[in-house]
Amino acid sequence: GAVVSQHPSWVICKSGTSVKIECRSLDFQATTMFWYRQFPKQSLMLMATSNEGSKATYEQGVEKDKFLINHASLTLSTLTVTSAHPEDSSFYICSASEGSSGANVLTFGAGSRLTVL
Amino acid sequence: GEDVEQSLFLSVREGDSSVINCTYTDSSSTYLYWYKQEPGAGLQLLTYIFSNMDMKQDQRLTVLLNKKDKHLSLRIADTQTGDSAIYFCAEIPMDSSYKLIFGSGTRLLVRP
Repeated sequence: GAVVSQHPSWVICKSGTSVKIECRSLDFQATTMFWYRQFPKQSLMLMATSNEGSKATYEQGVEKDKFLINHASLTLSTLTVTSAHPEDSSFYICSASEGSSGANVLTFGAGSRLTVL
Repeated sequence: GEDVEQSLFLSVREGDSSVINCTYTDSSSTYLYWYKQEPGAGLQLLTYIFSNMDMKQDQRLTVLLNKKDKHLSLRIADTQTGDSAIYFCAEIPMDSSYKLIFGSGTRLLVRP
């Protein structure tokens, strides 16, 4: 089945630094990937839709300059948290659709836990 | 608007059946989904149901859909301790193009 890989699975960084998270579709091509954010004991909130070869579409309230998304190839999207602060600490999850099932099924990565000190 | 609601917590004894409920607001959703999240992990698709179906069964899982009441449920038969996790229902509204809207999640605890 479709597999989505995220890296790193966890990262700790100092306040003010930038952190890049990668999301790869391992055995399929994904023109669209999605980035979600999950706070402890809460649901997933869609941050942005990553479109291969074009600009990402951000949800209302998400700072595009803070969360830079690049989708340079059909198998890779990256999320860069710029000038990270403790309030950016969260669990970030990406997803992609293989598109063959007809049911709009999304495959999720295992998530990346970011802790900003 | 888009809003998917679930009860927050459910506790059952091992071997019993679990029923997790979900209500949604967008009647245009073509598919509705159930995902499972284990601690510190991503989401695993359990099952989904097409909106013109009332029921779907997949081994220990039974999904019931009541479109009139916009109510979705997931029944897990013979619940095991390994089923302890958070369960999310989700929908993709017609005009949202793959954008999954998640419920708040139900934490299932299976007691030995």
